[in-house]
Amino acid sequence: GAVVSQHPSWVICKSGTSVKIECRSLDFQATTMFWYRQFPKQSLMLMATSNEGSKATYEQGVEKDKFLINHASLTLSTLTVTSAHPEDSSFYICSAGGGISYEQYFGPGTRLTVT
Amino acid sequence: AQKVTQAQTEISVVEKEDVTLDCVYETRDTTYYLFWYKQPPSGELVFLIRRNSFDEQNEISGRYSWNFQKSTSSFNFTITASQVVDSAVYFCALSEKGSSNTGKLIFGQGTTLQVKP
Repeated sequence: GAVVSQHPSWVICKSGTSVKIECRSLDFQATTMFWYRQFPKQSLMLMATSNEGSKATYEQGVEKDKFLINHASLTLSTLTVTSAHPEDSSFYICSAGGGISYEQYFGPGTRLTVT
Repeated sequence: AQKVTQAQTEISVVEKEDVTLDCVYETRDTTYYLFWYKQPPSGELVFLIRRNSFDEQNEISGRYSWNFQKSTSSFNFTITASQVVDSAVYFCALSEKGSSNTGKLIFGQGTTLQVKP
């Protein structure tokens, strides 16, 4: 199956700093990528949908100025958490989809801890 | 609005028991997909199955089987002869047709399955 990677797999940062998470589709071109957030013992919540070359579409309640998403190529999307705070500590998962099969391929996730 | 409900928060069984995880969904679309994912402690989602709204045939894959019933909007997942390695969080998800043909996923709350030896 298709492979999606995320980098870094975990990161610890200080409050007020920014963190960038990369999501790459390694063996296919992803026209659409999704970013999810998962708090401990909770479900995955979609944050935003990004299409290559256009602005991301954010879900209600997600601050687009805080969670910057860039999908500059068919194989790379980035999520930047700006001015991170402890409440942003979470597990961030990306997925990539590229066809009409409604299939999404998930990355392994990035665990962010803000101290 | 679309919604996925997994009423069972946690299930605990003893190894070799059969266990069924329930999933009920709501959607207004006639074209949609249903998924099951497994999330072990490592956190990475493992794809188990995808079923489209026009295919109500039940499916069996080894010890796993799925029962899709549109009449009750349910897509239940059964593990036969459970094993300790089946311990994980299981998510049911719904994808509706989006403008990009890759619809966003709506996840249920998840069911934590613990299989004891």
